[in-house]
Amino acid sequence: QKEVEQDPGPLSVPEGAIVSLNCTYSNSAFQYFMWYRQYSRKGPELLMYTYSSGNKEDGRFTAQVDKSSKYISLFIRDSQPSDSATYLCATLYSGNTGKLIFGQGTTLQVKP
Amino acid sequence: GAGVSQSPSNKVTEKGKDVELRCDPISGHTALYWYRQSLGQGLEFLIYFQGNSAPDKSGLPSDRFSAERTGGSVSTLTIQRTQQEDSAVYLCASSRGTDTQYFGPGTRLTVL
Repeated sequence: QKEVEQDPGPLSVPEGAIVSLNCTYSNSAFQYFMWYRQYSRKGPELLMYTYSSGNKEDGRFTAQVDKSSKYISLFIRDSQPSDSATYLCATLYSGNTGKLIFGQGTTLQVKP
Repeated sequence: GAGVSQSPSNKVTEKGKDVELRCDPISGHTALYWYRQSLGQGLEFLIYFQGNSAPDKSGLPSDRFSAERTGGSVSTLTIQRTQQEDSAVYLCASSRGTDTQYFGPGTRLTVL
């Protein structure tokens, strides 16, 4: 079993839709969670960062962590064609190193 | 300012040959990471350098893989006797300590 599981999709939605992207993780010790966005032929870029449980909002993006079910989510409101990319969830392996464990990534296409 | 740069952007090699991949981190970043991204496996941690400390090599898949970081800056990832399963995108990232990791565009390696 992978430490972080993510449905690779692909996911296709019409412009303006609400998108929900999800990951599960296996180790209850994980506390730091990130969402990265990766455009084709580019490196991943950090989108959202959360610590422990709860929600964090940034514009059209909301990151949610539910530690009781080991479930992390990213919601995109009013999705735009420019949101078309691969979204990777990640967790920090431990606080002492920067080693990240990634999910497989979900490919999202927002159709105009 | 300049981001993380990697060279070459693409590398095609024959099975059994050695390859060297280069990473130039963001100036002043003390931490440097190598990851590998392949279809079906997602993004996997390979190795982590932090300042003058011994590197964390726990993600290197075999002894054919090695990396060094000279002068606390540029890093080279070397793959000896390449195999077809080594074909992937090799991503480098750098950070200040364990803060946000900034990724380069990657080197796409194809082993024929």
